[in-house]
Amino acid sequence: EVQLVESGGGLVQPGGSLRLSCAASGFPFSLYSMSWVRQAPGKGLEWVSYISSRSSPIYYTDSVKGRFTVSRDNAKNSLFLQMNSLRAEDTAVYFCARTSGNHRTPFDYWGQGTLLTVSS
Amino acid sequence: EIVLTQSPGTLSLSPGERATLSCRASQSVSSSYLAWYQQRPGQAPRLLLYGTSTRATGIPDRFSGSGSGTDFTLTISRLEPEDFAVYYCQQYDNSPNTFGQGTKLEIK
Repeated sequence: EVQLVESGGGLVQPGGSLRLSCAASGFPFSLYSMSWVRQAPGKGLEWVSYISSRSSPIYYTDSVKGRFTVSRDNAKNSLFLQMNSLRAEDTAVYFCARTSGNHRTPFDYWGQGTLLTVSS
Repeated sequence: EIVLTQSPGTLSLSPGERATLSCRASQSVSSSYLAWYQQRPGQAPRLLLYGTSTRATGIPDRFSGSGSGTDFTLTISRLEPEDFAVYYCQQYDNSPNTFGQGTKLEIK
């Protein structure tokens, strides 16, 4: 059974940093691209970042470029999102999602999400 | 970026009825790159359809999709109680991939 479990969310002050993690199991993690998708409270879905199975290529949505860094450790079946210079508008539930192929494929499995709140 | 506009915002129907949800794109999207997701309260989204009309693993055949160009439709033939949720369309044709704002399907 495919499982994706996010962790690392919490309350951070504006300008602060946080690192999210996503532990994957039930599938050959090293063969799949992954993405982060976020959902602000009561709002819709927004794709944040994509990382291919071998960590290249990597893509970001414009609003997080230069602030967020996605990475993965295939040996540990883990995906990460390092978030710096956090802003109030980054407040959201962050989901990790498996991409069934390259960046032009849908998200076929999702984790339950971890909540990031950016507030003073 | 391609903007997806879903309508209606809220759809009130009864179990057993047919639901028709619309997704309109601001520019043409290849039908190979349009997906639909279901999100129940407090849960993660679940992939329903991809490539406009191909059902994902385990999705019942009461869910179907159609469309091309800028207009796409998700149809649920006979609503079951578990189908009342929020539905999102997504295009992954152009970067960045984008989602519609969602249609909430509620029990009438």
